[in-house]
Amino acid sequence: RKEVEQDPGPFNVPEGATVAFNCTYSNSASQSFFWYRQDCRKEPKLLMSVYSSGNEDGRFTAQLNRASQYISLLIRDSKLSDSATYLCAVNNYNDMRFGAGTRLTVKP
Amino acid sequence: ETGVTQTPRHLVMGMTNKKSLKCEQHLGHNAMYWYKQSAKKPLELMFVYNFKEQTENNSVPSRFSPECPNSSHLFLHLHTLQPEDSALYLCASSPSGSNTGELFFGEGSRLTVL
Repeated sequence: RKEVEQDPGPFNVPEGATVAFNCTYSNSASQSFFWYRQDCRKEPKLLMSVYSSGNEDGRFTAQLNRASQYISLLIRDSKLSDSATYLCAVNNYNDMRFGAGTRLTVKP
Repeated sequence: ETGVTQTPRHLVMGMTNKKSLKCEQHLGHNAMYWYKQSAKKPLELMFVYNFKEQTENNSVPSRFSPECPNSSHLFLHLHTLQPEDSALYLCASSPSGSNTGELFFGEGSRLTVL
């Protein structure tokens, strides 16, 4: 079983759509959780941390379910500029593991 | 401008060459990382250094040799590589190497092994 699994997509959605990405992880001892965004031929950049209580940053909402070892990212009112690959990341004491990423394309 | 700088950005080498990748971070962080990113695969953690000490070696072949002379610099020495080692090599740093810190990535060194 992969340590961090994501649906690779691609997700092709129209502008204004709501889209959700899921991620599961295998290490129950994992301590912290993140979503990163990676544009084509660029480095990953932190989008947001994921907290147990769930957290929101503008149009983006992240949720964590420790019991199910599951993380989600919801993007509301998609913009063209949201087109990118979204990477789920799970950290356990210096050991940050990433999913393969979910590719999102937002179309006019 | 990124706080983590990697050089060279692109490298082409033969299987018998020896080369090095360099990473420098200007963020005052104490932990530095090497990741490998191949097409359609997850980022693979290779090495972790925390306060200049190697704390993780993720079963990486010995043809990859890391060096961390101080908390701001990290090298990856390459020798007798294989074509399947062609990938994007990303350096990252984090504030304390703790379990809560985000990673800050460099732009990567794209390696092609002929």
